[in-house]
Amino acid sequence: QVQLVQSGAEVKVPGASVRVSCKASGYIFTDYAIHWVRQAPGQRPEWMGWINDNGDTKYSPKFQDRVTITRDISASTAYMDLNNLTSEDTAVYYCARTREGNFWGQGTLVIVSS
Amino acid sequence: DVVMTQSPLSLPVTLGQAASISCWSSESLVYRDGNTYLNWFHQRPGQSPRRLIYKVSNRDSGVPDRFSGSGSGTIFTLKISRVEAEDVGIYYCMQATHWPYTFGQGTKLEVK
Repeated sequence: QVQLVQSGAEVKVPGASVRVSCKASGYIFTDYAIHWVRQAPGQRPEWMGWINDNGDTKYSPKFQDRVTITRDISASTAYMDLNNLTSEDTAVYYCARTREGNFWGQGTLVIVSS
Repeated sequence: DVVMTQSPLSLPVTLGQAASISCWSSESLVYRDGNTYLNWFHQRPGQSPRRLIYKVSNRDSGVPDRFSGSGSGTIFTLKISRVEAEDVGIYYCMQATHWPYTFGQGTKLEVK
């Protein structure tokens, strides 16, 4: 069965960077895009970007300057790096596969606090 | 960005009764391929969002047939024919026609 398992919670200070990983299983990793979505406390989700089956990336203009999405095909794992963190980046970060079904990781809480 | 607006924001419902949520987009959601990429999600506290409906009216696998979606262009509706206790939570419409994809502000469904 398709599973996306994300890395654990992170606590960061303002100005730092964070990397969240998303390990896929149950399907051919390179056949599908992986999307990244975040949700601040009490807010609606925000789509951050994706890496497609070819390895091409697309980022929301809001995050364009600070986010990098990559993947390690050998590990069937996608990564989302977000730098220059502020308190407004405190959120749960999700990875998702949205084609031929809709599968989400369990979410990774990132807290940014001094 | 395309603005998605939902109504109502709070929806108290009696078990077994019907419920309806409306969603409006600031631009047409018809894509150049002719499809309309309007989705509906359900989220329970502490859980990941779960997609219920894709492309306006198609139910995802495992979604009960009491959920239905309709609409076109800029106006869309999610209907639940008979609300069950497991349906409580927040419902979001979400457009995947224009980049960046955007969500509505959410409708909180609760049981009276």
